[in-house]
Amino acid sequence: QVQLVESGGGLVKPGGSLTLSCVVSGFTLSDYYITWIRQAPGKGLEWVSYSTNTGNKNYADSVKGRFTISRDNSKNSVLLQMNSLRVEDTAVYYCARDSVSISLDFWGQGTLVTVSS
Amino acid sequence: QLVVTQSPSASASLGASVKLTCTLSSRHSNYAISWHQQQSNKGPRYLMKVNSDGSHNKGDGIPDRFSGSSSGADRYLIISSLQSEDEADYYCQTWATGIRVFGRGTRLTVL
Repeated sequence: QVQLVESGGGLVKPGGSLTLSCVVSGFTLSDYYITWIRQAPGKGLEWVSYSTNTGNKNYADSVKGRFTISRDNSKNSVLLQMNSLRVEDTAVYYCARDSVSISLDFWGQGTLVTVSS
Repeated sequence: QLVVTQSPSASASLGASVKLTCTLSSRHSNYAISWHQQQSNKGPRYLMKVNSDGSHNKGDGIPDRFSGSSSGADRYLIISSLQSEDEADYYCQTWATGIRVFGRGTRLTVL
């Protein structure tokens, strides 16, 4: 069955860096986009970034220039490298399967990132 | 600008039906949307995609009580025979090249 598993969250100081991983199974990663979404405590869902199966990358304005998405289809994984972290980046980060035709049809369980001094 | 708008809250009685609305920005009235459910302290779950013609594609294991429809720029999620576990936040979401957009969510209370 389709599964996405996030890892790499934790506590980091403002200005620090963290890399999140999304490992997928049950489908061929090279056939799909992968999207990162975050949810700050008590808030709604916010799109962060997505990577297409052809290697295109897109970012929300709030993270552009600080976050980098990458994928390794051979390892069934997508990474989100987060630099220059801010307190307002504190959130649960989810990865989800995506495509042009059906968006976000399977989600991971999320990983918590806390940015605090 | 691509935007989806939802009412912040809705309520309905156990066993009744409820219709949640997601409204697309006027220039994007023909776009499809996805509905996602988030129960308390859980991650989101995909419910269905709703197309502009009202057709919908449900996710794996989504009960028949959940259905979708469309009218103009509005996309609907209809839940019939409400159960206590349907109490949750419901998010609509749309997409275009370069962007994914979420509504602010509707909190559904089952009375």
